[in-house]
Amino acid sequence: ETVMTQSPATLSVSPGERATLSCRASQSVSRNLAWYQQKPGQSPRLIMYGASTRATGIPARFSGSGSGTDFTLTISSLQAEDAAVYYCQQYELGSAFGQGTKVEIK
Amino acid sequence: QVQLVQSGAEVKKPGASVKVSCKASGYTFRSYDISWVRQATGQGLEWMGWINPYTGNAAYAQKFQGRVTLTSNLSLSTVYMELSGLRSDDTAVYYCARGDTENDSWGQGSLVTVSS
Repeated sequence: ETVMTQSPATLSVSPGERATLSCRASQSVSRNLAWYQQKPGQSPRLIMYGASTRATGIPARFSGSGSGTDFTLTISSLQAEDAAVYYCQQYELGSAFGQGTKVEIK
Repeated sequence: QVQLVQSGAEVKKPGASVKVSCKASGYTFRSYDISWVRQATGQGLEWMGWINPYTGNAAYAQKFQGRVTLTSNLSLSTVYMELSGLRSDDTAVYYCARGDTENDSWGQGSLVTVSS
């Protein structure tokens, strides 16, 4: 079973600043990695797949990188509407989610 | 547009079973697997399994093997998730989502509460 570990648990960033979220897999998942955004009371929303491909309608300020076991989601200029919990998901072997990173607006 | 509409909230007693439905529209139902993911209150996302609606073949997370059953009805464009032997820690929102890799569309979630 592949375990996904996200850090930090909470990230507090000022509007317009960069937010960097990390996700580590316990074994290689190649580039079979997705990121989701979830706001309170809502279903998760796909924002990135294949480690670095933005989903439909996702703004260019979101970018993803990494392969193997280490991945990063970057929000280049944080907007108020980006406040949410972000989850990574591997789909190399079955599927598994990280525990989430909460992004707060400072 | 792609839509996944799930059945409503359920309250069940410990030891009972629950069956949640997920009706798809806006795309070719047989062409995409459907995944199930649950989320306890204030907790993260937990993958349960997925099903190919056309073949009926399903794969389950080890944690749920023997307790969860995924089925589909092509004529109704609907997938079902049945969870048996309910315990209090099964209380969660259950989501269906399109795809067996990345999940690009999600249902609205179905709250299942297990309480005596």
